[in-house]
Amino acid sequence: AQSVTQPDIHITVSEGASLELRCNYSYGATPYLFWYVQSPGQGLQLLLKYFSGDTLVQGIKGFEAEFKRSQSSFNLRKPSVHWSDAAEYFCAVVANTGNQFYFGTGTSLTVIP
Amino acid sequence: ETGVTQTPRHLVMGMTNKKSLKCEQHLGHNAMYWYKQSAKKPLELMFVYNFKEQTENNSVPSRFSPECPNSSHLFLHLHTLQPEDSALYLCASSQERGYGYTFGSGTRLTVV
Repeated sequence: AQSVTQPDIHITVSEGASLELRCNYSYGATPYLFWYVQSPGQGLQLLLKYFSGDTLVQGIKGFEAEFKRSQSSFNLRKPSVHWSDAAEYFCAVVANTGNQFYFGTGTSLTVIP
Repeated sequence: ETGVTQTPRHLVMGMTNKKSLKCEQHLGHNAMYWYKQSAKKPLELMFVYNFKEQTENNSVPSRFSPECPNSSHLFLHLHTLQPEDSALYLCASSQERGYGYTFGSGTRLTVV
């Protein structure tokens, strides 16, 4: 069965510093991969997604993610974090046959001045 | 505004009450979902509707009853809930099942 692991429950970074949030998945074939962000009291907003093709995908708000098949990873990155990026980030995977999404437990990001 | 609207945003109900959560989307999506988000736990898929037909019920207790009258509206009827049902209930929709969800802002439910 598919599963998603986000090893970091909570990360703190300084404003302007770079950011990398880790995501590992377990699936026999190449899945579809997603990153979502959730601000307090809000629903989840799609940041970016990978279906196929270029393994480096660009998303909204200056985020990018790289799919590495050999490592079963889909880490989210941002070169310079802004205070408004403080939120909960969720990685998700769905089989390319279109079955249900599996979400990680999320990584909470705190940005300090 | 994401295109998926959930009402109410907050709901406090007693264990003997009956209430309903509403979700509405006008994105032309064919699939709609109910998720439960509890603290420190992964998002839990509750129900899936595809072209108004329920296609998944992930062992959800019968005190939760979904209804999908058309492809734009989804309801979650609640009755005799337990305190552990307190959570954020998220509605989502997608063009095709599993192809990138659009989420609503959720209903924060507190059962007292």
